[in-house]
This record gives sequence, C-alpha cells and structure tokens, in this order.
Amino acid sequence: NAGVTQTPKFRVLKTGQSMTLLCAQDMNHEYMYWYRQDPGMGLRLIHYSVGEGTTAKGEVPDGYNVSRLKKQNFLLGLESAAPSQTSVYFCASSGTGNYGYTFGSGTRLTVV
Amino acid sequence: GEDVEQSLFLSVREGDSSVINCTYTDSSSTYLYWYKQEPGAGLQLLTYIFSNMDMKQDQRLTVLLNKKDKHLSLRIADTQTGDSAIYFCAETGLTGGGNKLTFGTGTQLKVEL
Repeated sequence: NAGVTQTPKFRVLKTGQSMTLLCAQDMNHEYMYWYRQDPGMGLRLIHYSVGEGTTAKGEVPDGYNVSRLKKQNFLLGLESAAPSQTSVYFCASSGTGNYGYTFGSGTRLTVV
Repeated sequence: GEDVEQSLFLSVREGDSSVINCTYTDSSSTYLYWYKQEPGAGLQLLTYIFSNMDMKQDQRLTVLLNKKDKHLSLRIADTQTGDSAIYFCAETGLTGGGNKLTFGTGTQLKVEL
C-alpha cells in the first residue's frame, strides 16, 4: 500500500519556468491538499480539494493552480516560477472522518 | 483567523520525559493532532484528541488538552534518540469544508545522550 506518492522529489527551476507537481493516493480518500513548508513558518495550505472535479483556495494560493480530474490525483502547477516559491511542497489526503492526514514525502523545489 | 503557536526548540536527555506545548486560538476546534516529521520525510500522524476529552494516552505518548486555556501538550515518556524530530500540532475547526488543518510552526526536539 503506497499511500501518498509525490513526484518529483527534487527540482531546480529557473525564474519564469513552469512545472507541475503530481500527487497520487491509493486510499480512495475524498480530500486532498497541497501545503508548502518554509523554515519557521510551519505548513501553509495552498489549495485543497473536497472531491473529484473540485478545488478551493487555501491560505497562500497566489502563483499556483491545481486540478483534480481524477479522484486519486491532485496536480499543483506553477505557471511562472519565482524565487519566493522555493520551498518544500507536501501533498496530503484524508477521508471524510477527522482521523488526520496521510502525507507524501515531499518535493523540494528551488527556483533560481 | 486561526493561529497555532509552538516553541521552536526543545532539548532533553535520553531517558527523560519531553513535554511539547501548543496554544491555539480557534475556539471551535473539534480535533487536535500531533504529527512527527523526521529529516527529509513527510509528516506522520502520532495521535489526535477530540475536543471533549482532557487526556489521551497511547504507550509512551500522553496528550493533555486544556480547552479553557486553548492549550495542548504532548508528553513523551522515556525519550529516545529516535524521538529526535520536528513535532507539529494542528487543529481543525468547523469553518469551511474538507477537514482543513491549521499547523503550528513545529517544535524541534533534540535528544542528547
């Protein structure tokens, strides 16, 4: 049982380039989330989804877009990367009960 | 808005107890969680407590909740070097949908021999 899988694990982008981070879960979870983790700031919610075909903005959505075309996948896109988007990105999923999240292992993104 | 605060660092000796503290502001919080993050890894759920409980014990872990003061703590008994990690508390309220969690900044626990 793989849980939540994120690809890629590492990436270096030049300012202005675009990329897509992929998150896949095999637990049939309804809810999926993208967070970014920065030193001293904890985890901040970027976007989330409460079901296939739905997305919603979190705390820090600017500069990011998301899509949930299939229940098991949640994509995070950066259209024009900026150095301020250098961070570790975590995807997570949860069922409809309040039993906590399952996290992926993260994607470390550096924008130069 | 919702806010969750933790101290940044805690250092203990192996075999001692560790107590990690957290305060939150959202009075509608229904569930509160503790997560552990080891270097280079994602967050792992350690335990959670429902807001109508005062205490929950799970092996070496004891969670205490003071709802009046909006204070949550995690006690680790007989702390081992393998417990060295960052510990996050998180809370979920009734606002919005999707079980969104608000995380604290994390407490880095260092266990010394």
